[in-house]
Amino acid sequence: EPEVTQTPSHQVTQMGQEVILRCVPISNHLYFYWYRQILGQKVEFLVSFYNNEISEKSEIFDDQFSVERPDGSNFTLKIRSTKLEDSAMYFCASSQGTWLTDTQYFGPGTRLTVL
Amino acid sequence: SQELEQSPQSLIVQEGKNLTINCTSSKTLYGLYWYKQKYGEGLIFLMMLQKGGEEKSHEKITAKLDEKKQQSSLHITASQPSHAGIYLCGADMRDNYGQNFVFGPGTRLSVLP
Repeated sequence: EPEVTQTPSHQVTQMGQEVILRCVPISNHLYFYWYRQILGQKVEFLVSFYNNEISEKSEIFDDQFSVERPDGSNFTLKIRSTKLEDSAMYFCASSQGTWLTDTQYFGPGTRLTVL
Repeated sequence: SQELEQSPQSLIVQEGKNLTINCTSSKTLYGLYWYKQKYGEGLIFLMMLQKGGEEKSHEKITAKLDEKKQQSSLHITASQPSHAGIYLCGADMRDNYGQNFVFGPGTRLSVLP
């Protein structure tokens, strides 16, 4: 069964460094998402991406964040200058249609630790 | 702010017992999803409900969305230790600023053998 994969599973970085989190969505999916979950808190929506552009983003997704689909298979989340409060589990998801009509399939997550 | 509430916060049941988890919103939900999250892992999709009054079942799990589309319940029949985890509801919640996908805080389920 196809699945969403994410790399790395755990990333440790120093505050102020740039990190890139990678996701490989399910191959025939057209909509891509990033979520984060700070330890002990709710899962929060960050951004949705369709047709090579951001379709929705939350207040959390500020100028420090960017997303890209560089090669037609990977979907990346970049944090330019990490802060301590960026430490969280980051989940990628993909769906064939929008979340109004189709299931989002989630990856296993990348645990980001900012020191 | 757009919020989903879940009850109970946590639940401990004996294997074989039935249980219900609720998800409530003050606004109309345009799509309601149930996920299961195993501790420290990703989200596993369980069910999606869109129409008022809709009910779906998969194995021993049944989810319903009320007619007003503001409350959903997840019912597990004859629970097993494999059902243990955190159950999250998520929903498309629209407002004047657009769409936003929101998760509830989760219900932590433990099933005692």
